[in-house]
Amino acid sequence: DTAVSQTPKYLVTQMGNDKSIKCEQNLGHDTMYWYKQDSKKFLKIMFSYNNKELIINETVPNRFSPKSPDKAHLNLHINSLELGDSAVYFCASSERGTGGAGAFFGQGTRLTVV
Amino acid sequence: QQQVKQSPQSLIVQKGGISIINCAYENTAFDYFPWYQQFPGKGPALLIAIRPDVSEKKEGRFTISFNKSAKQFSLHIMDSQPGDSATYFCAALDNYGQNFVFGPGTRLSVLP
Repeated sequence: DTAVSQTPKYLVTQMGNDKSIKCEQNLGHDTMYWYKQDSKKFLKIMFSYNNKELIINETVPNRFSPKSPDKAHLNLHINSLELGDSAVYFCASSERGTGGAGAFFGQGTRLTVV
Repeated sequence: QQQVKQSPQSLIVQKGGISIINCAYENTAFDYFPWYQQFPGKGPALLIAIRPDVSEKKEGRFTISFNKSAKQFSLHIMDSQPGDSATYFCAALDNYGQNFVFGPGTRLSVLP
């Protein structure tokens, strides 16, 4: 069973389109994240949710909107896609606080905007 | 203060050698320091982690050394193997558990 699964794995779309990436974790964690990995491999936090509550919202264009229907799911919707949005997006989950054992990542969604 | 610095950017090691990657941080609120290994096309995978109340942690060929006063920590890979070739990220978690801050990564190549 995959611990953190995100779909789709690849997403190719035209500029201006709206797309969504879904994420689910079966680890029972209370915190979920979206990270963006750029072409230089740098991992940057976008959003963090704890028990469906938004905790971190980094400086991300408001075209990006996360939605957490329950603590096992965190989806990412992107409106009006731009060329610069092309990157790999990772979902992750962890148990919040110092009792945690690190964040567990999904396999990533490679978004290509053409 | 949220930054984690990492060096070197890339590292080439002969099979059987020791790979050493160094990280440094400023934020004293960080209290959990994991290392991640990422292969091409895959998500980062947790490798080993340490808390600042210990100075060293070893798991198999992987060892973390931690210097709390210097705010530095490092990953040592003993007897490096070609299968260890990957990108390695150090990270830090603040004591509110809100955000893992990642270093910029080190691309390790182990030559056969």
